[in-house]
Amino acid sequence: DAGVTQSPTHLIKTRGQQVTLRCSPISGHKSVSWYQQVLGQGPQFIFQYYEKEERGRGNFPDRFSARQFPNYSSELNVNALLLGDSALYLCASSWDSNNQPQHFGDGTRLSIL
Amino acid sequence: EDQVTQSPEALRLQEGESSSLNCSYTVSGLRGLFWYRQDPGKGPEFLFTLYSAGEEKEKERLKATLTKKESFLHITAPKPEDSATYLCAVQGRNTGFQKLVFGTGTRLLVSP
Repeated sequence: DAGVTQSPTHLIKTRGQQVTLRCSPISGHKSVSWYQQVLGQGPQFIFQYYEKEERGRGNFPDRFSARQFPNYSSELNVNALLLGDSALYLCASSWDSNNQPQHFGDGTRLSIL
Repeated sequence: EDQVTQSPEALRLQEGESSSLNCSYTVSGLRGLFWYRQDPGKGPEFLFTLYSAGEEKEKERLKATLTKKESFLHITAPKPEDSATYLCAVQGRNTGFQKLVFGTGTRLLVSP
């Protein structure tokens, strides 16, 4: 069975640009969450979506937005990119919105020049 | 605010040398404590979920335990392929959504 898939795997942008990252959850999983992982740190929660609705948001500015589609795939958008946005962006999926384990993709490595 | 502290930051072991990794946490009502393994350039790989104090889970050379304040990941007779960063995360009851709060991880290196 396919795990969580993310695209692209790597991306290079310049300051001020906008970026869209994509995630396909494990088949049957309805919850998708996004995390940002800076080098040497643990992942930090950005958003959770369940059944196409935003369930929660972490401490990130409004430049970060996301959505979930009817097939449960998801997109993360970041506007007006800053150097500090350089990180590994991870998508995780789970069966439901409660305390079930989240399974992660291998992420998108975003570099801002 | 929920917090997770992992120690040590890095650990070097010889193959076969058993040890333990520590995860101390503070949370407003624990929904679950999760252990993940992360290899360089990869996403975290799920290992265990623990829900209540006293619970234990095992998988091959790994055993996770949970108390009201901390969790331990015991590694018995490790092999070089166990080298990775081990992440601990908690999910608290103070949010209505599924948010994991991670520690900074323990980098484990097992030498042959």
